[in-house]
Amino acid sequence: GAGVSQSPSNKVTEKGKDVELRCDPISGHTALYWYRQSLGQGLEFLIYFQGNSAPDKSGLPSDRFSAERTGGSVSTLTIQRTQQEDSAVYLCASSFHAGEGETQYFGPGTRLLVL
Amino acid sequence: GDSVTQMEGPVTLSEEAFLTINCTYTATGYPSLFWYVQYPGEGLQLLLKATKADDKGSNKGFEATYRKETTSFHLEKGSVQVSDSAVYFCALYTGGFKTIFGAGTRLFVKA
Repeated sequence: GAGVSQSPSNKVTEKGKDVELRCDPISGHTALYWYRQSLGQGLEFLIYFQGNSAPDKSGLPSDRFSAERTGGSVSTLTIQRTQQEDSAVYLCASSFHAGEGETQYFGPGTRLLVL
Repeated sequence: GDSVTQMEGPVTLSEEAFLTINCTYTATGYPSLFWYVQYPGEGLQLLLKATKADDKGSNKGFEATYRKETTSFHLEKGSVQVSDSAVYFCALYTGGFKTIFGAGTRLFVKA
């Protein structure tokens, strides 16, 4: 596609439920990033992929968060047993490859609300 | 650790006013610096960047100069338009494939 797409655009869930957020990067981009944007806060780095591997998972807030990427393309961020503090906008970005100064292209985000 | 601090918003200006959004950083090594912009209802997009000291990034009338001596990368525009209303994020990259973003500054431009 022309840009990074994410789905769903909005998700409302009940506390304790699992949610899956999807990201389709720009075709040909090997690097993919997940960020979280909480109200009034900056972007919090969660995880990045180079190809299908995730060398740095240190940004994931807890073991309830996991992510995978298959075929070097689509990525899924899964939050298990959601909590109210998980409410945020989850942003995905991709770049041609992971490297210094590489421009990241962002999707529109998934707005998650946990009741 | 590495960090980015930018001025709190919102910033409200009249059309054609001069804009400055301050950004300072703390980093080991020699980071690359970025400004990203998020227009209402859209995803973040790169506005400009600078990869070494004294470099000036520019785009759409916006400019920012990489100042190593003051560890700053302030965003400026000489004459803002209503269409510039957005949230602006300063960011740095120091390696390890992690980009660190500031909290964002919301700009409102009134006609």
